[in-house]
Amino acid sequence: TQLLEQSPQFLSIQEGENLTVYCNSSSVFSSLQWYRQEPGEGPVLLVTVVTGGEVKKLKRLTFQFGDARKDSSLHITAAQPGDTGLYLCKGAGGTSYGKLTFGQGTILTVHP
Amino acid sequence: DVKVTQSSRYLVKRTGEKVFLECVQDMDHENMFWYRQDPGLGLRLIYFSYDVKMKEKGDIPEGYSVSREKKERFSLILESASTNQTSMYLCASSSPGGATEAFFGQGTRLTVV
Repeated sequence: TQLLEQSPQFLSIQEGENLTVYCNSSSVFSSLQWYRQEPGEGPVLLVTVVTGGEVKKLKRLTFQFGDARKDSSLHITAAQPGDTGLYLCKGAGGTSYGKLTFGQGTILTVHP
Repeated sequence: DVKVTQSSRYLVKRTGEKVFLECVQDMDHENMFWYRQDPGLGLRLIYFSYDVKMKEKGDIPEGYSVSREKKERFSLILESASTNQTSMYLCASSSPGGATEAFFGQGTRLTVV
Protein backbone atom coordinates (compact mmCIF):
# COMPACT_ATOMS: atom_id res chain seq x y z
CA THR A 1 0.00 0.00 0.00
CA GLN A 2 1.33 3.41 -0.93
CA LEU A 3 1.20 5.80 1.99
CA LEU A 4 0.47 9.50 1.98
CA GLU A 5 1.48 11.43 5.07
CA GLN A 6 -0.27 14.69 5.74
CA SER A 7 0.94 17.38 8.09
CA PRO A 8 -0.06 18.94 10.29
CA GLN A 9 -2.86 16.71 11.52
CA PHE A 10 -4.58 19.64 13.25
CA LEU A 11 -4.46 23.35 12.50
CA SER A 12 -6.30 26.02 14.47
CA ILE A 13 -5.87 29.59 13.27
CA GLN A 14 -7.49 33.00 13.31
CA GLU A 15 -9.36 34.48 10.37
CA GLY A 16 -6.99 36.29 8.02
CA GLU A 17 -3.95 34.10 8.68
CA ASN A 18 -2.16 32.10 6.00
CA LEU A 19 -1.51 28.38 6.25
CA THR A 20 0.08 25.50 4.38
CA VAL A 21 -0.82 21.81 4.50
CA TYR A 22 1.59 19.19 3.25
CA CYS A 23 1.10 15.79 1.66
CA ASN A 24 4.20 13.59 1.34
CA SER A 25 5.00 10.12 0.12
CA SER A 26 8.00 7.99 -0.74
CA SER A 27 6.08 6.77 -3.79
CA VAL A 28 5.56 8.44 -7.15
CA PHE A 29 2.01 9.23 -8.18
CA SER A 30 0.70 9.97 -11.65
CA SER A 31 -1.74 12.47 -10.19
CA LEU A 32 -2.71 13.92 -6.87
CA GLN A 33 -5.99 15.39 -5.73
CA TRP A 34 -7.11 17.50 -2.81
CA TYR A 35 -10.55 17.09 -1.25
CA ARG A 36 -12.37 18.99 1.47
CA GLN A 37 -14.86 17.37 3.80
CA GLU A 38 -17.32 19.30 5.94
CA PRO A 39 -18.97 17.76 9.00
CA GLY A 40 -21.74 15.32 8.12
CA GLU A 41 -20.82 15.21 4.45
CA GLY A 42 -18.57 13.23 2.14
CA PRO A 43 -15.35 14.69 0.73
CA VAL A 44 -15.62 16.96 -2.31
CA LEU A 45 -12.90 17.43 -4.91
CA LEU A 46 -11.03 20.76 -4.90
CA VAL A 47 -8.32 20.19 -7.49
CA THR A 48 -6.34 17.61 -9.49
CA VAL A 49 -2.65 18.08 -10.30
CA VAL A 50 -0.98 15.79 -12.82
CA THR A 51 2.33 17.35 -13.86
CA GLY A 52 5.45 17.52 -11.70
CA GLY A 53 5.98 21.13 -10.59
CA GLU A 54 2.42 22.10 -11.48
CA VAL A 55 0.82 24.97 -9.57
CA LYS A 56 -2.91 25.55 -9.59
CA LYS A 57 -4.81 28.40 -8.00
CA LEU A 58 -8.40 28.34 -6.88
CA LYS A 59 -9.23 31.79 -5.50
CA ARG A 60 -7.33 31.94 -2.17
CA LEU A 61 -6.12 28.33 -2.44
CA THR A 62 -2.84 27.45 -4.16
CA PHE A 63 -1.95 23.82 -4.88
CA GLN A 64 1.47 22.58 -5.88
CA PHE A 65 2.63 19.17 -7.07
CA GLY A 66 6.26 18.37 -6.34
CA ASP A 67 8.74 18.06 -9.19
CA ALA A 68 9.25 14.37 -8.41
CA ARG A 69 5.47 13.79 -8.09
CA LYS A 70 5.89 12.45 -4.56
CA ASP A 71 4.51 15.38 -2.61
CA SER A 72 2.07 18.24 -2.74
CA SER A 73 1.09 21.30 -0.75
CA LEU A 74 -2.05 23.32 -0.24
CA HIS A 75 -1.63 26.97 0.73
CA ILE A 76 -4.55 29.10 1.87
CA THR A 77 -4.18 32.87 1.94
CA ALA A 78 -6.23 34.96 4.35
CA ALA A 79 -8.18 32.02 5.75
CA GLN A 80 -11.88 32.46 6.46
CA PRO A 81 -14.21 30.53 8.79
CA GLY A 82 -15.78 28.96 5.70
CA ASP A 83 -12.47 27.21 5.02
CA THR A 84 -12.96 25.11 8.15
CA GLY A 85 -13.04 21.41 7.39
CA LEU A 86 -11.02 18.27 6.84
CA TYR A 87 -8.57 18.46 3.95
CA LEU A 88 -7.53 15.20 2.33
CA CYS A 89 -4.97 14.46 -0.34
CA LYS A 90 -5.40 11.50 -2.63
CA GLY A 91 -2.81 9.92 -4.86
CA ALA A 92 -3.35 7.74 -7.88
CA GLY A 93 -1.19 5.73 -10.21
CA GLY A 94 1.96 3.75 -9.62
CA THR A 95 1.35 0.60 -7.62
CA SER A 96 -1.97 1.88 -6.32
CA TYR A 97 -3.70 1.23 -9.64
CA GLY A 98 -7.41 0.90 -9.12
CA LYS A 99 -7.26 2.06 -5.54
CA LEU A 100 -7.73 5.53 -4.20
CA THR A 101 -4.97 6.18 -1.65
CA PHE A 102 -5.81 8.93 0.83
CA GLY A 103 -3.74 10.73 3.40
CA GLN A 104 -5.02 10.75 6.96
CA GLY A 105 -6.25 14.31 6.63
CA THR A 106 -5.69 17.75 8.16
CA ILE A 107 -8.44 19.20 10.34
CA LEU A 108 -8.49 22.96 9.83
CA THR A 109 -10.39 25.28 12.15
CA VAL A 110 -10.52 28.97 11.32
CA HIS A 111 -11.80 31.13 14.18
CA PRO A 112 -13.62 34.40 13.46
CA ASP B 1 -27.08 16.93 -9.96
CA VAL B 2 -24.89 13.84 -9.73
CA LYS B 3 -25.39 11.71 -6.69
CA VAL B 4 -24.03 8.94 -4.58
CA THR B 5 -26.66 7.94 -2.07
CA GLN B 6 -26.10 5.83 1.02
CA SER B 7 -29.15 4.15 2.45
CA SER B 8 -28.79 5.35 6.04
CA ARG B 9 -27.16 8.31 7.78
CA TYR B 10 -27.15 6.62 11.18
CA LEU B 11 -27.38 2.97 12.19
CA VAL B 12 -27.22 1.26 15.57
CA LYS B 13 -26.71 -2.50 15.54
CA ARG B 14 -26.00 -5.16 18.11
CA THR B 15 -22.84 -7.23 18.29
CA GLY B 16 -23.14 -10.32 16.12
CA GLU B 17 -25.81 -8.92 13.80
CA LYS B 18 -25.40 -9.06 10.04
CA VAL B 19 -25.37 -5.50 8.72
CA PHE B 20 -25.98 -4.29 5.18
CA LEU B 21 -24.87 -0.85 4.02
CA GLU B 22 -26.21 0.11 0.61
CA CYS B 23 -24.83 2.61 -1.87
CA VAL B 24 -26.35 3.73 -5.17
CA GLN B 25 -24.82 6.04 -7.78
CA ASP B 26 -26.53 7.63 -10.77
CA MET B 27 -23.46 8.52 -12.85
CA ASP B 28 -22.95 5.17 -14.61
CA HIS B 29 -19.51 4.88 -13.00
CA GLU B 30 -17.56 1.68 -13.37
CA ASN B 31 -15.63 2.05 -10.11
CA MET B 32 -17.18 1.99 -6.66
CA PHE B 33 -15.47 2.03 -3.28
CA TRP B 34 -16.18 1.52 0.40
CA TYR B 35 -14.12 3.32 3.02
CA ARG B 36 -14.24 3.62 6.75
CA GLN B 37 -13.20 6.86 8.37
CA ASP B 38 -11.86 7.05 11.90
CA PRO B 39 -10.29 10.03 13.70
CA GLY B 40 -6.57 10.27 13.02
CA LEU B 41 -6.63 7.40 10.52
CA GLY B 42 -8.16 9.13 7.53
CA LEU B 43 -10.00 7.15 4.90
CA ARG B 44 -9.12 3.48 4.78
CA LEU B 45 -10.20 1.43 1.80
CA ILE B 46 -12.22 -1.68 2.63
CA TYR B 47 -13.16 -2.96 -0.83
CA PHE B 48 -13.53 -1.62 -4.32
CA SER B 49 -15.20 -2.82 -7.48
CA TYR B 50 -14.33 -1.93 -11.05
CA ASP B 51 -17.22 -3.74 -12.69
CA VAL B 52 -20.39 -5.68 -11.97
CA LYS B 53 -19.64 -8.81 -9.93
CA MET B 54 -15.97 -7.81 -9.70
CA LYS B 55 -14.35 -6.88 -6.41
CA GLU B 56 -10.92 -6.26 -5.01
CA LYS B 57 -9.79 -6.18 -1.41
CA GLY B 58 -8.61 -2.88 -0.07
CA ASP B 59 -6.38 -2.31 2.92
CA ILE B 60 -8.74 -3.51 5.68
CA PRO B 61 -11.14 -6.14 4.26
CA GLU B 62 -11.25 -8.40 7.32
CA GLY B 63 -14.74 -8.74 8.74
CA TYR B 64 -16.37 -7.29 5.62
CA SER B 65 -17.70 -8.52 2.31
CA VAL B 66 -19.24 -6.73 -0.65
CA SER B 67 -21.73 -7.34 -3.40
CA ARG B 68 -22.13 -5.67 -6.77
CA GLU B 69 -24.94 -7.28 -8.73
CA LYS B 70 -25.83 -4.11 -10.64
CA LYS B 71 -23.58 -1.35 -11.92
CA GLU B 72 -25.25 1.36 -9.89
CA ARG B 73 -25.33 -0.46 -6.55
CA PHE B 74 -22.51 -1.52 -4.23
CA SER B 75 -23.31 -3.12 -0.90
CA LEU B 76 -21.05 -3.52 2.11
CA ILE B 77 -21.82 -6.42 4.42
CA LEU B 78 -20.65 -6.88 7.97
CA GLU B 79 -21.09 -10.61 8.46
CA SER B 80 -21.07 -10.44 12.27
CA ALA B 81 -20.83 -6.90 13.56
CA SER B 82 -18.34 -6.16 16.30
CA THR B 83 -17.81 -3.06 18.42
CA ASN B 84 -14.52 -2.31 16.66
CA GLN B 85 -16.50 -1.81 13.48
CA THR B 86 -18.16 1.26 14.94
CA SER B 87 -17.17 3.95 12.46
CA MET B 88 -18.18 6.30 9.67
CA TYR B 89 -18.57 4.43 6.39
CA LEU B 90 -18.23 6.28 3.11
CA CYS B 91 -19.11 5.04 -0.34
CA ALA B 92 -17.57 6.59 -3.46
CA SER B 93 -17.77 6.13 -7.20
CA SER B 94 -15.58 7.24 -10.09
CA SER B 95 -14.86 6.67 -13.74
CA PRO B 96 -11.85 4.49 -14.55
CA GLY B 97 -8.45 6.16 -14.16
CA GLY B 98 -6.71 7.53 -11.12
CA ALA B 99 -7.04 11.21 -12.00
CA THR B 100 -10.81 11.14 -12.26
CA GLU B 101 -12.93 12.71 -9.57
CA ALA B 102 -14.28 10.51 -6.82
CA PHE B 103 -17.83 11.31 -5.77
CA PHE B 104 -18.79 10.45 -2.23
CA GLY B 105 -22.00 9.70 -0.44
CA GLN B 106 -22.89 11.53 2.74
CA GLY B 107 -21.68 8.69 4.93
CA THR B 108 -23.26 6.21 7.33
CA ARG B 109 -22.41 6.52 11.00
CA LEU B 110 -22.58 2.94 12.31
CA THR B 111 -22.56 2.21 16.01
CA VAL B 112 -22.25 -1.40 17.16
CA VAL B 113 -23.31 -1.95 20.77
